[in-house]
This record gives sequence, structure tokens and C-alpha cells, in this order.
Amino acid sequence: DQQVKQNSPSLSVQEGRISILNCDYTNSMFDYFLWYKKYPAEGPTFLISISSIKDKNEDGRFTVFLNKSAKHLSLHIVPSQPGDSAVYFCAASRRSSGNTGKLIFGQGTTLQVKP
Amino acid sequence: EAGVVQSPRYKIIEKKQPVAFWCNPISGHNTLYWYLQNLGQGPELLIRYENEEAVDDSQLPKDRFSAERLKGVDSTLKIQPAELGDSAVYLCASSTTGELFFGEGSRLTVL
Repeated sequence: DQQVKQNSPSLSVQEGRISILNCDYTNSMFDYFLWYKKYPAEGPTFLISISSIKDKNEDGRFTVFLNKSAKHLSLHIVPSQPGDSAVYFCAASRRSSGNTGKLIFGQGTTLQVKP
Repeated sequence: EAGVVQSPRYKIIEKKQPVAFWCNPISGHNTLYWYLQNLGQGPELLIRYENEEAVDDSQLPKDRFSAERLKGVDSTLKIQPAELGDSAVYLCASSTTGELFFGEGSRLTVL
């Protein structure tokens, strides 16, 4: 049972345009969501997070939107840069139950930003 | 500040052989995790430590996998004997609260 799903395996955008990566989840008990970025041969690095009490969190070029009713979150990158080309993982956890560290990851979306 | 350090980065073994991975977390991080990442998939939690105590090992295949975190700092993950299906990247991560910081991973190939 895949509790966190990233249905788009890959995405290609032009430099300077917006990248939108999507993530759906099934467990309504999740209350904390994160995005990680992963370059080849490196471990995932934390990008941005959002608590379920919010619907938007912004950090520079990166914004995460949370729609709890739809159990959907998205990551917007504006403007996209070639260095953003990587695999992006969505992850979720149940912070309220103390399981902060038990992240459930999606399958990942490979983003390619073309110069 | 040094990040999470893992070794070896790459390991190739024949099936039925043992293998061990080592992890040194970020200084001061009490929580340590081992995740497994198969090709084309997201990481999956194997075991979580709070200091020396394994607080969540429900996903660890205990017939062949074992882990320890002596003195609540470094940790080792062992597989004995390894099977073909164990070929994957083994990621170690640490945290205080909230975000996890991952190491570069140990890529295992079982022939």
C-alpha cells in the first residue's frame, strides 16, 4: 500500500519557467510533509517542509502548497534553473504521534531543467 | 559542521556473503535511522534509534539483517547472508527534531 504517491516519474521544463511537482497521500493522520532533493550518487537533502496547520510555505524560489481535503501537496520552483535538475522526493510523517522521523517517501520525480 | 558519514560507499559481494555498513551521524544528533532505497523507489525505513535504543525496527528483516548503535553514536548495519534482492542503496540519516540529514549512502551489489 503506497501511502505517498508521486505519479509523475519525470518532468522537463525550460530554464526560467515554473516547475510544479505533485504528491498525493492516503493517510489522513499525516501532519508533516517534506520535500527532499537528490543528486546522483548523493544522499537526499532537505529542501522545504510544511505542517498540516498551514496551506503554504515559501522559501526563496521554492513554495510548497498543501491541500488537506484533497490529500495533495505540490512543490513549485520559480524560476527553474539547470542546477535544480535532480530527483525530488515527497515525504510525510505523523509528528503528533512522536513518529517525526518515520518518513514515508514517494517514488520520486526526476526534474530536468533545460537551458 | 561535518555531515552524516557512511562507509563503504560501494560494496560488491557474492550472494551468501556477509556485509556490514557503518554510519557516523552528525554530532549531537540523538536519533539515527537506516533507510533502504531500491532503484527507482523512495527510501524506506529499516530501523530508527533514539540514542542506543532501537525504537522502531518493524521493517527490519530480522532473519538476515541486524543493527547496533553502541554508545549511542556510530551505528553498523549488517546483512548475513546477503541475497540478490538486497542489492540497493543503504542510507543512514540523523536528526534532532524535524528534518532528517542523510549520508551519501552505501551502494550494495550482490552477485
